[in-house]
Amino acid sequence: DVVMAQSPLSLPVTLGQPASISCRSSESLEHIDGNTYVSWFQQRPGQSPRRLIYKVSNRDSGVPDRFSGSGSATDFTLKISRVETEDVGVYYCMQGTHGRVTFGGGTKVEIK
Amino acid sequence: QVQLVQSGAEVKRPGASVKVSCKASGYTFSHFGISWVRQAPGQGLEWMGWISAYNGNTIYGQRLQGRVTMTTDTSTSTAYMELRSLRSDDTAVYYCAREPPAQDAAKVLDFWGQGTLVTVSS
Repeated sequence: DVVMAQSPLSLPVTLGQPASISCRSSESLEHIDGNTYVSWFQQRPGQSPRRLIYKVSNRDSGVPDRFSGSGSATDFTLKISRVETEDVGVYYCMQGTHGRVTFGGGTKVEIK
Repeated sequence: QVQLVQSGAEVKRPGASVKVSCKASGYTFSHFGISWVRQAPGQGLEWMGWISAYNGNTIYGQRLQGRVTMTTDTSTSTAYMELRSLRSDDTAVYYCAREPPAQDAAKVLDFWGQGTLVTVSS
């Protein structure tokens, strides 16, 4: 299975400051259809995961534009331009390109 | 709006089986698939497998292959996940999520259920 190495494990951020999470895959995530199926999920405490970003850089409906995704092949990044209180939680990257889905280990975002 | 509503919490003995349901609404169930994901207490997300509600095709995660069976009932727009020979390390919250219907399509997990806590304890 594809390994998704996510870092950092923990990310303390000052309110209003940017945050960046990295995800590196063990092989290229370009699908035979030409798309790259990397998604990012937010899981607030006590809630189900919620998808924020799909196909590397597309925001889901209702996701604030302070969230952005980028990357290609094996290296991907989720950025929050200005962290707000409601962004506290754990963030996961995920690859859906190869038959069996794999997730990164998660990054816990907290306010300093 | 798309909704996935899962069955309630379960407590099981080691060696028993559990069957979790996931009822879909707000879209045409048979035009999509369902993935199942679980999360042990304080841990990350583990993908368990996928089933097509269109034709019943499945892909199971290697770790659970042989102990898990996924099914769907298009008449009630419900997906099911059965896990057998339960162990204490199967204690987790189990989630369903919507997917494309085709086996070779990429997985997207665009909408999620609220989760079902399964506790395995003697």
